[in-house]
Amino acid sequence: KAGVTQTPRYLIKTRGQQVTLSCSPISGHRSVSWYQQTPGQGLQFLFEYFSETQRNKGNFPGRFSGRQFSNSRSEMNVSTLELGDSALYLCASSSSPGTGIKNSPLHFGNGTRLTVT
Amino acid sequence: EDQVTQSPEALRLQEGESSSLNCSYTVSGLRGLFWYRQDPGKGPEFLFTLYSAGEEKEKERLKATLTKKESFLHITAPKPEDSATYLCAVQADAGNNRKLIWGLGTSLGVNP
Repeated sequence: KAGVTQTPRYLIKTRGQQVTLSCSPISGHRSVSWYQQTPGQGLQFLFEYFSETQRNKGNFPGRFSGRQFSNSRSEMNVSTLELGDSALYLCASSSSPGTGIKNSPLHFGNGTRLTVT
Repeated sequence: EDQVTQSPEALRLQEGESSSLNCSYTVSGLRGLFWYRQDPGKGPEFLFTLYSAGEEKEKERLKATLTKKESFLHITAPKPEDSATYLCAVQADAGNNRKLIWGLGTSLGVNP
């Protein structure tokens, strides 16, 4: 079974630009979550989608947005990039959303490394 | 405030030297505790889920245990390929929303 695929692997952008990251979940998984990972802050939750609906959102500014398509693939967009947005952006998929359902951990992709100059 | 703290931040062992990593948490209503392994340049890889105090899970040289306040990841006779960052995440009672609280990880190095 293919894992979570994220594209591109690396991106270099300039302040003020916008960027779109893509994530293809494991086949059959309908829940997709996005995380930002930095050395000082660790993994910070951005948002979760299930069946094309945003179920939960972290404490990030409105410049960060996402969406999910009918085939469960997801995209994340960051507009008006700032230097502080440089990070590893991770996508994770799961067979079910929310809590309390056993044996449904998150499965992560290898991330997109975004560098803002 | 819900919080997850991992210790030590970094640990270096000799091959075969067993040790434990700690994940302490303060959350309102634990729904589950997860351990992940992350190699450089890769995403976290799922290892274990623990749901209640007293529960234990094992996989090869790794054994995870859970109490009401903390979890331990015991590494028995580690090998160099066990070198990685080990992340702990706690799922608190938040209705039907998946909102994991992550620790900053323990960076483990195993010398041959």
